[in-house]
Amino acid sequence: EIQLQESGPGLVKPSQSLSLTCSVTGYTITSGYDWSWIRKFPGNKMEWMGYISNSGSTNYNPSLKIRISITRDTSKNQFFLQLNSVTTEDTATYYCARYDRMGINYWGQGVMVTVSS
Amino acid sequence: DIVLTQSPALAVSLGQRATISCRASQSVSISRYNLMHWYQQKPGQQPKLLIYRASNLASGIPARFSGSGSGTDFTLTINPVQADDIATYYCQQSRESPPTFGGGTKLELK
Repeated sequence: EIQLQESGPGLVKPSQSLSLTCSVTGYTITSGYDWSWIRKFPGNKMEWMGYISNSGSTNYNPSLKIRISITRDTSKNQFFLQLNSVTTEDTATYYCARYDRMGINYWGQGVMVTVSS
Repeated sequence: DIVLTQSPALAVSLGQRATISCRASQSVSISRYNLMHWYQQKPGQQPKLLIYRASNLASGIPARFSGSGSGTDFTLTINPVQADDIATYYCQQSRESPPTFGGGTKLELK
């Protein structure tokens, strides 16, 4: 069974960096698919942030392109999100997911991150 | 970006049909593929894929859920609505990057 689990701090100060880890079990991230970060803001808006492909290439939402980095550790079957220069507008629940153009079938449970001083 | 528009809320009675719509700012279809998907999300849970490519039922999803549409107009139908279906429903397109989501339709009991 494929499972994804996010981890990371729930509170980040404005102007600092947000860093999250997604640990994947049941599937090797180099075997296929694109491994994404998606966030849901208070009020329900959802935003696809970007992905790292099974080959290691990345694709980011242009709205975040100068602040975001997605990397991976294939030895641990993990991928990571770093979002720089956060503001209160980055307060959201962050999900990692296995992205598929035919529908996103595997999601993590989500981690709520609050940006506040 | 492709903008997906959904009504914010829909009130239905148990046992009745619920029809949730999603309109795209441009076509999300490529030849015979309609790259629109539907998700259900309950509070405190991750989204769950219900329908992929507009009309295909995802694994384990009850047959009371169905999807239709092409081009720019899509519909998710729940018939009959059960108490467990009270949730927020999102459409999402994968026709163009970045993938985008609708604003969500909250299904409420009448």
